[in-house]
Amino acid sequence: AQSVTQPDIHITVSEGASLELRCNYSYGATPYLFWYVQSPGQGLQLLLKYFSGDTLVQGIKGFEAEFKRSQSSFNLRKPSVHWSDAAEYFCAVGAPNQAGTALIFGKGTTLSVSS
Amino acid sequence: NAGVTQTPKFQVLKTGQSMTLQCAQDMNHNSMYWYRQDPGMGLRLIYYSASEGTTDKGEVPNGYNVSRLNKREFSLRLESAAPSQTSVYFCASSESPGGVTDTQYFGPGTRLTVL
Repeated sequence: AQSVTQPDIHITVSEGASLELRCNYSYGATPYLFWYVQSPGQGLQLLLKYFSGDTLVQGIKGFEAEFKRSQSSFNLRKPSVHWSDAAEYFCAVGAPNQAGTALIFGKGTTLSVSS
Repeated sequence: NAGVTQTPKFQVLKTGQSMTLQCAQDMNHNSMYWYRQDPGMGLRLIYYSASEGTTDKGEVPNGYNVSRLNKREFSLRLESAAPSQTSVYFCASSESPGGVTDTQYFGPGTRLTVL
């Protein structure tokens, strides 16, 4: 069965510092991988996704993520964090060619940004 | 273009009461989903509809029923609400039939409290 682990429940980063949020997945083949962001009181918004090809993917708001098959990881990064990046971040995995299944979400990482 | 809309935004029920959460999308998407979000649990899929006329159970379907009224609308019904159903409920949609590997677009959520 697929699963997603986000090891960090809460991270605090200084404004302007770099950020890395960790995501590990469990799946037998190459999954479809997503990062979503949820601002307080809002629904989820897609930041980026990986299906195949270049393992470094660029997303919105200056985020990027790198797929590492050997580590079963899909970590999210941003070179310089802004106060508006404070939110909850969810990694999710979907199984290709398995219609009738659904995305599996990690439990989320809450990002706080200090000034 | 409103995207995914949900009503109501907030609701308080007493144990045993029933209610229906409404969801509509105007993106002509085929697939629609209902999730619940609980602290520390991430998002868990309740039911989904891969196309008009079909519905399937997700991870946590007990105590819920759904109706895919037409291509635009997907409702979630609680027949006899229980305190364990206190949660934030999100509706989402994606383009392809059964395309759970597509980007999902989320509504703003319904915050439900069952006393």
